[in-house]
Amino acid sequence: ETGVTQSPTHLIKTRGQQVTLRCSSQSGHNTVSWYQQALGQGPQFIFQYYREEENGRGNFPPRFSGLQFPNYSSELNVNALELDDSALYLCASSLDGLNNSPLHFGNGTRLTVT
Amino acid sequence: QKEVEQDPGPLSVPEGAIVSLNCTYSNSAFQYFMWYRQYSRKGPELLMYTYSSGNKEDGRFTAQVDKSSKYISLFIRDSQPSDSATYLCAMSRGNQFYFGTGTSLTVIP
Repeated sequence: ETGVTQSPTHLIKTRGQQVTLRCSSQSGHNTVSWYQQALGQGPQFIFQYYREEENGRGNFPPRFSGLQFPNYSSELNVNALELDDSALYLCASSLDGLNNSPLHFGNGTRLTVT
Repeated sequence: QKEVEQDPGPLSVPEGAIVSLNCTYSNSAFQYFMWYRQYSRKGPELLMYTYSSGNKEDGRFTAQVDKSSKYISLFIRDSQPSDSATYLCAMSRGNQFYFGTGTSLTVIP
């Protein structure tokens, strides 16, 4: 069974730039969620994608956007980066967009905005 | 007030000790309750997943849910140095999961 993989593992960007993070879901899972984890904090829900459509969104501005592809992989895009966007970005896959289906996380992308 | 409260610790125990980790929550709409373990520079790993009030055991781990008190616990028996990590409680409402801030645990050999 292949787990959730994310790329890149680390990234350094300048304020105002744009970034794209990538995620491949665990085999058999067709739902992808993205979370932001600031240092010393728990993960915060950004949004979920199911069947290539956004299926719920947390309290994040529109400059956070995403895509899901037919093979269930996903991208997180962040425009106009701010210093506070520095965090660990976690992708999690789950089964069939089912409510409450447990999340299985990748190891994240560490984004630093300078 | 945060929806999920968790004492960040840090917690330090000798090897073999019983560890108790706790979270409280405010929203009675939460349906499912989970514990994740997160090692440094890694993503969270699912340890326990439960729905109803009561206890659920898996090896050295026991998850306890008390919905009437809005309180969940994770007990680790015979703790090992490899248990040293941050433990995150999580609870779900629909397709959104809400996490505690995590408790940092160190098990000293």
